[in-house]
Amino acid sequence: DAGVIQSPRHEVTEMGQEVTLRCKPISGHDYLFWYRQTMMRGLELLIYFNNNVPIDDSGMPEDRFSAKMPNASFSTLKIQPSEPRDSAVYFCASSSRRGGRDTQYFGPGTRLTVL
Amino acid sequence: EDKVVQSPLSLVVHEGDTVTLNCSYEVTNFRSLLWYKQEKKAPTFLFMLTSSGIEKKSGRLSSILDKKELFSILNITATQTGDSAIYLCAVGLQGAQKLVFGQGTRLTINP
Repeated sequence: DAGVIQSPRHEVTEMGQEVTLRCKPISGHDYLFWYRQTMMRGLELLIYFNNNVPIDDSGMPEDRFSAKMPNASFSTLKIQPSEPRDSAVYFCASSSRRGGRDTQYFGPGTRLTVL
Repeated sequence: EDKVVQSPLSLVVHEGDTVTLNCSYEVTNFRSLLWYKQEKKAPTFLFMLTSSGIEKKSGRLSSILDKKELFSILNITATQTGDSAIYLCAVGLQGAQKLVFGQGTRLTINP
């Protein structure tokens, strides 16, 4: 069974450009999470969805960040405009309410560098 | 504010040593505590604990939860260089599906 899939794996962009990160959760999982990880702040939850509906976006740093989940198998995290302080590894994770409901499975991450 | 604190932040030991990693928490509505291992890529799931005093074990790794004192430990015996990683502790909350993560312990095993 395929795990969580993220793309791209690496992204290098210039300040002010729009960045779109993509995620495909594990099939059958009804929760999807976006995290950001930096050396300074560790792993931070940005937003999570249940059945494609955003439940908690309190971790989204500012209006430059937006996330969507148009269907059960796809989500995007967009940063517009990007800034150097957005440089981090962005992880997507998914989980299911059935059995081990708190266990989240992480994708490989997207390493974003904003110059 | 919900908080998870891990200690030590960094640990360097020799291969064959036994290590104990600590995780304490202060949260409003505890449901579960999880341990993850992060090597160079994504965190991978190790254990989930919900009941006090019941040890979970997988090979050389074991973990236990104390809900009265609000902490958990992760033990690794006979460490190997492949155990070098960041170990993350996270707490799941009642009424919400999200996890609150600690800052992690960076474990380095020297040959």
